[in-house]
Amino acid sequence: AQSVTQLDSHVSVSEGTPVLLRCNYSSSYSPSLFWYVQHPNKGLQLLLKYTSAATLVKGINGFEAEFKKSETSFHLTKPSAHMSDAAEYFCVVSQTGANNLFFGTGTRLTVIP
Amino acid sequence: ETGVTQTPRHLVMGMTNKKSLKCEQHLGHNAMYWYKQSAKKPLELMFVYNFKEQTENNSVPSRFSPECPNSSHLFLHLHTLQPEDSALYLCASSQVTLRFSYNEQFFGPGTRLTVL
Repeated sequence: AQSVTQLDSHVSVSEGTPVLLRCNYSSSYSPSLFWYVQHPNKGLQLLLKYTSAATLVKGINGFEAEFKKSETSFHLTKPSAHMSDAAEYFCVVSQTGANNLFFGTGTRLTVIP
Repeated sequence: ETGVTQTPRHLVMGMTNKKSLKCEQHLGHNAMYWYKQSAKKPLELMFVYNFKEQTENNSVPSRFSPECPNSSHLFLHLHTLQPEDSALYLCASSQVTLRFSYNEQFFGPGTRLTVL
């Protein structure tokens, strides 16, 4: 069975400060992990993905995530928040080789000017 | 058009109406998906089509009826819906091979459905 837990439903940061969005996963198999972002009234856009290559994954817009198997975590970080980063972020797990995705409940990121 | 498109973007319908949602992918993918996104709930996978064949139906009520005439188009036919069916309906596509699934999915902008 696979599942994802996003530990914070809402995160608020000041512009220019670091962002940390936390995600823990559960998977019986070798997982693929993703972070998607959803801006208001838009579809989901892939930020980055982990598929058993390097454990530190770099994505678009300066985001990165580190896969830590011992902690079953895949936290999303960014060194400096920008106003345009305000959105909903979803952590997603899938069994490598399968095409079903399991979504977390999302974390809403607010960026304060 | 590029990526995944969905029409209409907004739809308001009564419980006795029949309507259809359309999704088109311009990525050359061979798998397509319907998701339901409700407030405060994780995204719910509704249907999966691989190579135009339905491979998954996650206990979706029969008032939702999918159709996949070819690998580029996906429809969701709606009839006698309930107010609790109001949600954002998202379409996605991905590339699947027999040996390995490139399971990154590309999403459309969604159809915001309101059932009165």
